[in-house]
Amino acid sequence: AQKITQTQPGMFVQEKEAVTLDCTYDTSDPSYGLFWYKQPSSGEMIFLIYQGSYDQQNATEGRYSLNFQKARKSANLVISASQLGDSAMYFCAMREVNTDKLIFGTGTRLQVFP
Amino acid sequence: GAGVSQSPSNKVTEKGKDVELRCDPISGHTALYWYRQSLGQGLEFLIYFQGNSAPDKSGLPSDRFSAERTGGSVSTLTIQRTQQEDSAVYLCASSLEGAGGLHNEQFFGPGTRLTVL
Repeated sequence: AQKITQTQPGMFVQEKEAVTLDCTYDTSDPSYGLFWYKQPSSGEMIFLIYQGSYDQQNATEGRYSLNFQKARKSANLVISASQLGDSAMYFCAMREVNTDKLIFGTGTRLQVFP
Repeated sequence: GAGVSQSPSNKVTEKGKDVELRCDPISGHTALYWYRQSLGQGLEFLIYFQGNSAPDKSGLPSDRFSAERTGGSVSTLTIQRTQQEDSAVYLCASSLEGAGGLHNEQFFGPGTRLTVL
């Protein structure tokens, strides 16, 4: 069963605007962690932000914030004030407690235009 | 402070040949992971090492795939009798520790692009 779903294969946003990248997940484990990674065309995976299932507040890291809605099992990434350098693939991933691997979604390609 | 390094960056091989992919994790990181990314896809977990042991090999797609880690550091992923469907980018990641730390960020290497002709 697919555990991470990213329904947007591609998104466009104008520079300086905000954009939301969707991620839903499926787990029966009460303890889990959610991650977002950025993958530019160079291929490296860059960690952006983490949200724990028991965290009371939504995670924020600079221009990145995570809109965590636990009951809906969604963990959307919000990028504020988009920059041209934000153009990349974005992957949502989940890690369940006592497992070691990250389960990734299929990604969303974000393109920022001037 | 070097990050995770992988070699070679690109590998082209003929069907049926064996290949070895190398990963050097960040110094001091005890956990090491191998993932595979096929064209246009997300990352697929292959194997996890804690120290030199591999408690989770569940992602290895067939017995043609094997991996080892020595000295709690360098890891080698070996693919025997390569097939065209093995063509992908193979990514290695490391983290300070493995299971039990949900927030343990995995730091990724640049990957090895494998092409099987």
